[in-house]
Amino acid sequence: GAGVSQSPSNKVTEKGKDVELRCDPISGHTALYWYRQSLGQGLEFLIYFQGNSAPDKSGLPSDRFSAERTGGSVSTLTIQRTQQEDSAVYLCASSFPGLAQETQYFGPGTRLLVL
Amino acid sequence: AQSVTQLGSHVSVSEGALVLLRCNYSSSVPPYLFWYVQYPNQGLQLLLKYTTGATLVKGINGFEAEFKKSETSFHLTKPSAHMSDAAEYFCAVSSGSARQLTFGSGTQLTVLP
Repeated sequence: GAGVSQSPSNKVTEKGKDVELRCDPISGHTALYWYRQSLGQGLEFLIYFQGNSAPDKSGLPSDRFSAERTGGSVSTLTIQRTQQEDSAVYLCASSFPGLAQETQYFGPGTRLLVL
Repeated sequence: AQSVTQLGSHVSVSEGALVLLRCNYSSSVPPYLFWYVQYPNQGLQLLLKYTTGATLVKGINGFEAEFKKSETSFHLTKPSAHMSDAAEYFCAVSSGSARQLTFGSGTQLTVLP
């Protein structure tokens, strides 16, 4: 079946602009995660959605970052007033049923470059 | 709190030689441990995982790892390296109280002909 998809695959933006990154999880997966991969910080957790529960936002680095998940499926990560340090690969993952021992399936990522 | 340490950011082996990638973890609760592989410009792919039960875990592409609680380790091995194994490898931990993965800094594996 189809895996996790992310769009766009690459995004170049100017400092101060807002960007939206999209994630389509595997159909039926109730848990969805966003991670950031950067040279300086490695792989970092950002936010976690599980079904209709309130999301775990504990990894978001600042209030410029937000995410939503509509209808329990597609998720959008929004970065407002982008900064150069936001340049990274943003990875989305999904799993079922969202327990800690379940495999997370990763998308190919969105490579964000802030000029 | 949980954390992962991967010793050696770069490892080089000859084709056909043993692959050993080291991972140590810290967790205040029983951990779930994962190894993921990342090929250039791709996402992460699960190699294997330990949840409960047998401490020697076999994964895809001939890789295996052994959970050693006393040493807080989960090292990844493969008896004979192939050129196609060249990639970056990440060890990760989660637990019942922290469902997100906490990753190590990664090990870049180079396979020499």
